[in-house]
Amino acid sequence: KQEVTQIPAALSVPEGENLVLNCSFTDSAIYNLQWFRQDPGKGLTSLLLIQSSQREQTSGRLNASLDKSSGRSTLYIAASQPGDSATYLCAPMKVRSQGAQKLVFGQGTRLTINP
Amino acid sequence: DTEVTQTPKHLVMGMTNKKSLKCEQHMGHRAMYWYKQKAKKPPELMFVYSYEKLSINESVPSRFSPECPNSSLLNLHLHALQPEDSALYLCASSPSTAFLVEQYFGPGTRLTVT
Repeated sequence: KQEVTQIPAALSVPEGENLVLNCSFTDSAIYNLQWFRQDPGKGLTSLLLIQSSQREQTSGRLNASLDKSSGRSTLYIAASQPGDSATYLCAPMKVRSQGAQKLVFGQGTRLTINP
Repeated sequence: DTEVTQTPKHLVMGMTNKKSLKCEQHMGHRAMYWYKQKAKKPPELMFVYSYEKLSINESVPSRFSPECPNSSLLNLHLHALQPEDSALYLCASSPSTAFLVEQYFGPGTRLTVT
């Protein structure tokens, strides 16, 4: 059974800092990994999708890396802003025997950026 | 249009009520999903529909009954729920159930069972 751990559980930093969020997973037989952000009481916004054949994916100030063999992914946020405050979730994806994809989510990192 | 919409935003129901949650997407996606998210927990998969057919049921109690009347619409029918079913219910869609595609989530329905 896939288990996903995100460290740290919570992080509070001043505006402008570069920061790294970590995600580890126990089953390395994944096809891709998706990073999401979730604002309190809201749905999930997809940030980045890294395919298993890729090592990195970038979108604006966000950069995500994936190391399948070690079961790890990191999300790097450059020049953090107060608007980045949210919970960040990583979700490795497997394909079930019935052919449907399944995301398994970590518990998330609650990020607060202080002005 | 890259949006998944869900209605209602909030729902309060008694344990004897019957209600339905609705999810809609107009991106031409052929896979749709229901997730349940308890407070301060990550989302957990409930059901997957692929080409309007139920392909995954994650051992969800029968008081939750999904329905996919067409490729754009996904419903979740609720009956005789328990207070512990109170949660945020999230709908998602993806172009297919192939493993290289992204899932897009709606804003969720906040359900309270009294």
